[in-house]
Amino acid sequence: GAVVSQHPSRVICKSGTSVKIECRSLDFQATTMFWYRQFPKQSLMLMATSNEGSKATYEQGVEKDKFLINHASLTLSTLTVTSAHPEDSSFYICSARFIGANEQFFGPGTRLTVL
Amino acid sequence: AQSVTQLGSHVSVSEGALVLLRCNYSSSVPPYLFWYVQYPNQGLQLLLKYTSAATLVKGINGFEAEFKKSETSFHLTKPSAHMSDAAEYFCAVEEAAGNKLTFGGGTRVLVKP
Repeated sequence: GAVVSQHPSRVICKSGTSVKIECRSLDFQATTMFWYRQFPKQSLMLMATSNEGSKATYEQGVEKDKFLINHASLTLSTLTVTSAHPEDSSFYICSARFIGANEQFFGPGTRLTVL
Repeated sequence: AQSVTQLGSHVSVSEGALVLLRCNYSSSVPPYLFWYVQYPNQGLQLLLKYTSAATLVKGINGFEAEFKKSETSFHLTKPSAHMSDAAEYFCAVEEAAGNKLTFGGGTRVLVKP
């Protein structure tokens, strides 16, 4: 149980285009979802927290107009990287939790490469 | 703000030897503590968690960790390393239930045959 999927697992795009990454909770209702960014050989940095039906809360230094997060249902959150540039290339990981859970459940990650 | 320190970004152990990964946190209240493992190009897998029950926590794959409040530590150990333990390990702290996680910098474990 408590499985989180991400799609796509890997994406390559041209500079200036937008890319959407999906995060789904497959067997539970995720009241809260989190988006992390991980640069090579570094730790995970929280980008934003989203609760179903409300606006995401972004961490300091994360551009909300650059990284659009939508959590429209209890099983789906999306991260859209708008006008992507090479410096946005990274590994993006989502996690989700349900009410009463004492842990987050992580997705497998999405590798974004911007050419 | 919460901070998590993992001492040693790289640890090299021989197969069969003890694995010890150190984690210290800063928190004025007892937190929830987690250890995760990450294999290349994959997400995080939970090894174990401390959520204010027993201070010695047993996890998967033979790992265990001990919460020491006086030392604000949560070190991870495994008595006998296996080649499959080669991975990146992250310690994380959640200051209160439902709050966000703060990760340590990670420790990469290399297992020598």
